[in-house]
Amino acid sequence: GAVVSQHPSWVICKSGTSVKIECRSLDFQATTMFWYRQFPKQSLMLMATSNEGSKATYEQGVEKDKFLINHASLTLSTLTVTSAHPEDSSFYICSARDGAGVYEQYFGPGTRLTVT
Amino acid sequence: SQQGEEDPQALSIQEGENATMNCSYKTSINNLQWYRQNSGRGLVHLILIRSNEREKHSGRLRVTLDTSKKSSSLLITASRAADTASYFCATGAITSGTYKYIFGTGTRLKVLA
Repeated sequence: GAVVSQHPSWVICKSGTSVKIECRSLDFQATTMFWYRQFPKQSLMLMATSNEGSKATYEQGVEKDKFLINHASLTLSTLTVTSAHPEDSSFYICSARDGAGVYEQYFGPGTRLTVT
Repeated sequence: SQQGEEDPQALSIQEGENATMNCSYKTSINNLQWYRQNSGRGLVHLILIRSNEREKHSGRLRVTLDTSKKSSSLLITASRAADTASYFCATGAITSGTYKYIFGTGTRLKVLA
């Protein structure tokens, strides 16, 4: 099956710094990528949808200036958490959709962010 | 936005028993998927059921979909300790012009050996 990777798998940063998380589709071209956030013992909340070469669409309540998303190529999307604060500590999961498939959406393994 | 509500929120059963989890959603969907997530780990895809399907099986898993009631159920038969995990439904639908999957609240299953 299609593989989506994320890097790093975990990261610890200091409050006020920025952190970049990468999401890659390894064996297919992802025209659309999605970013989710999951707090402990909660469900996944969709943050934003990004299409290659265009601006991301953010869900209601998600600050686009704080969570910068770039989908510059068909195999890479990045999420940058700017000026991170402890409340941004969470599990961030990306998913990617093959341009040919409507239903298939492949999830990355997630990135654990801890802001101290 | 949260599309699906799952119940129960938590379920504890003995090994060998069956576990049933339910998912209800609010709007029309194209398909519904079930995922498993072990603590602190990524998602594992279990089953996809399309809106024109009523039931699907995969090994010890059985999924039903009732679009008239906007609900789905996941049945795990002959549960094992290794089935201990959180289970989420995710509904697929076009929202604001984009096909998206929105996750339910999840059920935490604990299977006691």
